[in-house]
Amino acid sequence: NAGVTQTPKFRILKIGQSMTLQCAQDMNHNYMYWYRQDPGMGLKLIYYSVGAGITDKGEVPNGYNVSRSTTEDFPLRLELAAPSQTSVYFCASSLDPYNEQFFGPGTRLTVL
Amino acid sequence: AQSVTQLGSHVSVSEGALVLLRCNYSSSVPPYLFWYVQYPNQGLQLLLKYTTGATLVKGINGFEAEFKKSETSFHLTKPSAHMSDAAEYFCAVSDYDTGRRALTFGSGTRLQVQP
Repeated sequence: NAGVTQTPKFRILKIGQSMTLQCAQDMNHNYMYWYRQDPGMGLKLIYYSVGAGITDKGEVPNGYNVSRSTTEDFPLRLELAAPSQTSVYFCASSLDPYNEQFFGPGTRLTVL
Repeated sequence: AQSVTQLGSHVSVSEGALVLLRCNYSSSVPPYLFWYVQYPNQGLQLLLKYTTGATLVKGINGFEAEFKKSETSFHLTKPSAHMSDAAEYFCAVSDYDTGRRALTFGSGTRLQVQP
C-alpha cells in the first residue's frame, strides 16, 4: 500500500494563478481531510469529506475548493492564488472520525 | 468550539532526561485525544491515542500520555530522551461535539535533544 500520496511536492505560483493539489489514498478510507500548516500555528482544517460526493468546510475554507468524485481522490483547488496561501498543505485520511488519520508527505506551496 | 493548548512552543532537554510535553484541551463531551509527531519535511504520524478505558496510554518509541479529566490535560512523557526524538509534536482533540467530524490540533511543540 502506498498510503496517502500527494503531488506535487513543491510548487511556486504567481499571484492570480490557479492550481490543483492532488491527493490519493489506497486504504479505502471514507474520511479525507485537507490541512494547511503555517509556522507556529499548527494545522488548520481547510475542507474535509466523509465519503464520495460529500464535502464540508473546515476552519479556513476561503480561497479553496474541493471535490470528491471517488473514494480514492480528494483534490484541492486554488482558483486565484494569493500570498496568504503560501503554506505547507497536508492531505490525510481515516477509516472513521474516531481513528487515526494517515497523513501524506505534504505539498510546499509558495505564492509570489 | 474545541481548543487545544500546548504550553511551550519549544522544549529543550538533554539526552537521557525526562521529556514532558504539555497539552490541555477544552471539550464539552468526553473527548478522543491524540498525539502526533512530525519529523523534518515529513507528514504527521500517530504516536498514541486515548478513546475510552485506561487513562494511561502507551505509544510508539517509549512515549506515553495520561488522560486527566479533572485537569482537562493529556500530557506526553518519555522517561529518557534520545537524539532521534527531536521533532515537532502535536496534540489533537476530537471535534465531534461541534458536529464537525475532524480533529482540532494544537500549535505544536518543537522538541530539541541536546547531546
